[in-house]
Amino acid sequence: TQLLEQSPQFLSIQEGENLTVYCNSSSVFSSLQWYRQEPGEGPVLLVTVVTGGEVKKLKRLTFQFGDARKDSSLHITAAQPGDTGLYLCAGGKRDDKIIFGKGTRLHILP
Amino acid sequence: ETGVTQTPRHLVMGMTNKKSLKCEQHLGHNAMYWYKQSAKKPLELMFVYSLEERVENNSVPSRFSPECPNSSHLFLHLHTLQPEDSALYLCASSQELMQEISYEQYFGPGTRLTVT
Repeated sequence: TQLLEQSPQFLSIQEGENLTVYCNSSSVFSSLQWYRQEPGEGPVLLVTVVTGGEVKKLKRLTFQFGDARKDSSLHITAAQPGDTGLYLCAGGKRDDKIIFGKGTRLHILP
Repeated sequence: ETGVTQTPRHLVMGMTNKKSLKCEQHLGHNAMYWYKQSAKKPLELMFVYSLEERVENNSVPSRFSPECPNSSHLFLHLHTLQPEDSALYLCASSQELMQEISYEQYFGPGTRLTVT
């Protein structure tokens, strides 16, 4: 069974701090996505990474795809209350369905 | 209106009721999906449609019946549900069926379903 393990499950930090959340698997994926979901809304795509070792930046968010394409990390610099939400990673393979992790619930305290 | 819309946003139904969830996408996409999001579980893909044809059914109980009359609309018909079916049901769409390299799904806000 393919699994995407996300850690930590919950994270509560003060505004201005830095943080990293992780998405790990024993499987190799052709691509991996990160989504953010706010209460009462559906997930919104943040980024797609497709190349092992790839790093993408979205303002204060930095996403990295592992060299072996089995894991990914999301680093947030100087967290803001607007970063609060559920962060989901999702992995895709050719001719196979997308699978999601359970998510990391992030709460930024003002 | 743009994006993916879902109605109703909240639904409470008894186990003997029949109800339908509706999804509409205004993005000109050819693929649509139903997902189930339960507490403490990963998002579960239920059904996939491409050009109104069902291409995937992930062992979903028959009490859930999807319908895709055209590429812009997707329904999920519900009957004789169980309390454990209570969850957030999300609809999503993508330009084409998920491809190897990359795919971008756009999600609706979901229908919060409670089965009593």
